[in-house]
Amino acid sequence: GESVGLHLPTLSVQEGDNSIINCAYSNSASDYFIWYKQESGKGPQFIIDIRSNMDKRQGQRVTVLLNKTVKHLSLQIAATQPGDSAVYFCAEKGWMAGGTSYGKLTFGQGTILTVHP
Amino acid sequence: EAGVAQSPRYKIIEKRQSVAFWCNPISGHATLYWYQQILGQGPKLLIQFQNNGVVDDSQLPKDRFSAERLKGVDSTLKIQPAKLEDSAVYLCASRGLRGSSDEQFFGPGTRLTVL
Repeated sequence: GESVGLHLPTLSVQEGDNSIINCAYSNSASDYFIWYKQESGKGPQFIIDIRSNMDKRQGQRVTVLLNKTVKHLSLQIAATQPGDSAVYFCAEKGWMAGGTSYGKLTFGQGTILTVHP
Repeated sequence: EAGVAQSPRYKIIEKRQSVAFWCNPISGHATLYWYQQILGQGPKLLIQFQNNGVVDDSQLPKDRFSAERLKGVDSTLKIQPAKLEDSAVYLCASRGLRGSSDEQFFGPGTRLTVL
């Protein structure tokens, strides 16, 4: 079955450093991935997404890399700030038979990012 | 733009009691989801609605969980009777487009504690 997992449960960095959060997926048919940030007491918040026809996508201070060969994606956060401290999840979007997207997300366990001032 | 609203934010009940959660999605969003998030884990989909119809409820424990979205807007999720293992945050999300991204917008969740 489908599964999305993360390599490391926790990551601590100093303010200003770059952070890299990794995620492995097992379904080779997966073609759409999303990174979410979840702060304490809040719901997950969309950060960035990437489709399988791309290797890299950049946003504001964030970059997602996708390596389909080894079924791995990563989230890079540049110049990490204390406000970036949160749990980060990668998620994979599911598809119905026939290729119609119905939007089901399968989330991984999450990585706790702690940024020290 | 108003976000997804959920209530209550917190609920404490004893096992075997009943509980209900309410969700109001973002205006105009036809797709609504309920997720269960156990502490230390990622959210797990319980049920998905498209307007007032169920698209996917394969992971909903139907012997005790039920959900409805009668008018295709607000939704309620009910647990009857609750078990200790139902302690979790229950997240509601609705789906819409933002730019080129097909995005799910999450509410703040309801934290349920079953004693």
